[in-house]
Amino acid sequence: EIVLTQSPGTLSLSPGERATLSCGASHTVSSGYLAWYQQKPGQAPRLLIYRAANRASGIPDRFSGSGSGTDFTLTISRLESEDFAVYYCQQYGSSPYTFGQGTKLEIK
Amino acid sequence: QVQLVQSGAEVKKPGSSVKVSCKASGGTFDTYAISWVRQAPGQGLEWMGGIIPFFGPPNYSPKFQGRVTITADKSTSTVYMDLSNLKSEDAAVYYCARATRSHYYYDMDVWGQGTTVTVSS
Repeated sequence: EIVLTQSPGTLSLSPGERATLSCGASHTVSSGYLAWYQQKPGQAPRLLIYRAANRASGIPDRFSGSGSGTDFTLTISRLESEDFAVYYCQQYGSSPYTFGQGTKLEIK
Repeated sequence: QVQLVQSGAEVKKPGSSVKVSCKASGGTFDTYAISWVRQAPGQGLEWMGGIIPFFGPPNYSPKFQGRVTITADKSTSTVYMDLSNLKSEDAAVYYCARATRSHYYYDMDVWGQGTTVTVSS
């Protein structure tokens, strides 16, 4: 089983700032099959990025993903108020398709 | 527009079973993976298993193997998740989610509304 470790656990930033979230895998993620999701309280997760670097439909271009192998990054270039939420990475390269523990992005 | 609609909240006793349904509408059913993901209160997301109805058989996380059964009814475009021998730590919101592309457990872009399962004696 691939274990995904996200850092930091909590990130405190202000609107307009740049956010960098990390996701490290215990083993290589096959085919770069790494996704990022955003979740707000009381809501289902929302797909942001698939296959490490591709924005999902309707996702603003301030969200970008990068990385390969075991190290992946989600970057939000200029934070807007609606971006403060919890972010999860998920690998779907090998079963079981595990999630990271999440990074909470909070307003400073 | 693909939609997933889940069954309602459940209250169960320890040791019993719960069966949650997930009905798909508005798109192709058979060849897209439907996964079950749960979230305990205040905790993260956990992939439990899934099924691609056209291919069967289900794919289970080892953590839940032996306790979870995922089935699909192609006639009603509904996927079911049955979790047995419930423990207090199974109390969670259970989501079904659909892969973005067919024939594999890809990233998931359509999610059900979630079903809250409470386990209490």
